[in-house]
Formats: sequence, C-alpha cells, structure tokens
Amino acid sequence: EPEVTQTPSHQVTQMGQEVILRCVPISNHLYFYWYRQILGQKVEFLVSFYNNEISEKSEIFDDQFSVERPDGSNFTLKIRSTKLEDSAMYFCASMSEIYEQYFGPGTRLTVT
Amino acid sequence: DAKTTQPPSMDCAEGRAANLPCNHSTISGNEYVYWYRQIHSQGPQYIIHGLKNNETNEMASLIITEDRKSSTLILPHATLRDTAVYYCIVRPTMTTDSWGKFQFGAGTQVVVTP
Repeated sequence: EPEVTQTPSHQVTQMGQEVILRCVPISNHLYFYWYRQILGQKVEFLVSFYNNEISEKSEIFDDQFSVERPDGSNFTLKIRSTKLEDSAMYFCASMSEIYEQYFGPGTRLTVT
Repeated sequence: DAKTTQPPSMDCAEGRAANLPCNHSTISGNEYVYWYRQIHSQGPQYIIHGLKNNETNEMASLIITEDRKSSTLILPHATLRDTAVYYCIVRPTMTTDSWGKFQFGAGTQVVVTP
C-alpha cells in the first residue's frame, strides 16, 4: 500500500539554524500539506500546496517558513532560523481528488 | 476552532465493539465527517468519512444521524492495537476558500483493556 514517507525521523538543531524537513507524498496525489504537533497539544495545520504554489496557510506559517516541491516527488518544509518554540512533530500529508488525506510518520524537531 | 465535540476519554474491553460519539450540531450541507486516529505520536491515520449515508470499511463503521448533527464511529471488535486518540473532524468539500486542511480538536483517548 502506498504511503507518505518523511526524513529524517528526528532532527536536532541549534536555535537560529536552518532546517529542511523532507517528505515524499503518495505518487499520484495532487494536494500536499504540512502540520505540526507540539508535545501534548493538538495537531495544527501549517500550509497547503497545490499546483506548485501555496493555496492556504495558517498564522503559524510566517516568513520563517517556506515550502517547495523541487523535483516533482519531494515536498519540503524549510524553517529559516529556528526558535525553541519550533520544537514539535511535523507531519506531511498528501491527498488525491477523492479527499482521503494520508499522513506521514512525522519528523520530530528538537531545537536546543 | 474545531466544530466537533467528543468525550475526552473512554475505555473499551478487548473484543467488544467500541462506539465513539461525536457532536457536530453546526455542520453545513457541504461538510463531510471524517474520522482519524493517532497512535502514540505517530501520524494521524485515516479511518473513514461520510456525508450523510452510513459508511463501512474494513476498519470501522460510521453512523450519521438523519439530521447530520451527530455521528458514531464503531470499531466492531476492539483490539489492544486500537488504543489511540480518535478525532472526529468536519471538513467542507474542496473550493478555492477551502483547500482541504483538517482542523484537529483534542479527540477522544480510547484505551482498550484486556
């Protein structure tokens, strides 16, 4: 069964450093998403991406964040200058036209 | 804010059916009801979704009331591996105002006991 994959599974970085989280969505899917979950809190929507551009973003998704689909298979989330409060699980998701959204296993980001 | 109300927790005996309620009294005509679950800190897992008819798949059944203001997810024979947080989410069809994002609430922590 096809699945969404994410790398790395755990990323440790120092405050102020840039990180890139990587995702490989399901191959025939058209809509792509990033969510995050701070430990003990709800899953929060960050951004949606369709047709090579951002279609919707939340208030969390400020200028420090960017997304890209550089090669037609990978989907990346970049955080330019990480802050302590960026520590969280980051989930990538993809969706086909039949509206079932599938999530990856997540990347645990720890900012020290 | 999430548009659904779920009990914070419930216990279920292994092998029994688990019936998870969800209230969505402000649901609109173009909104689907989705159920996901999250086992420990893994990525949310799709279970089932429906608009107004009852639905069944290999994982669960979804019963939606006629007025669509509430629904019940049924896990027919709960196993220990079904211990998870279950999320009921209403989401509209895809439009240029809504690109398919899910707004997760706190969900229901289900514990299946031997």
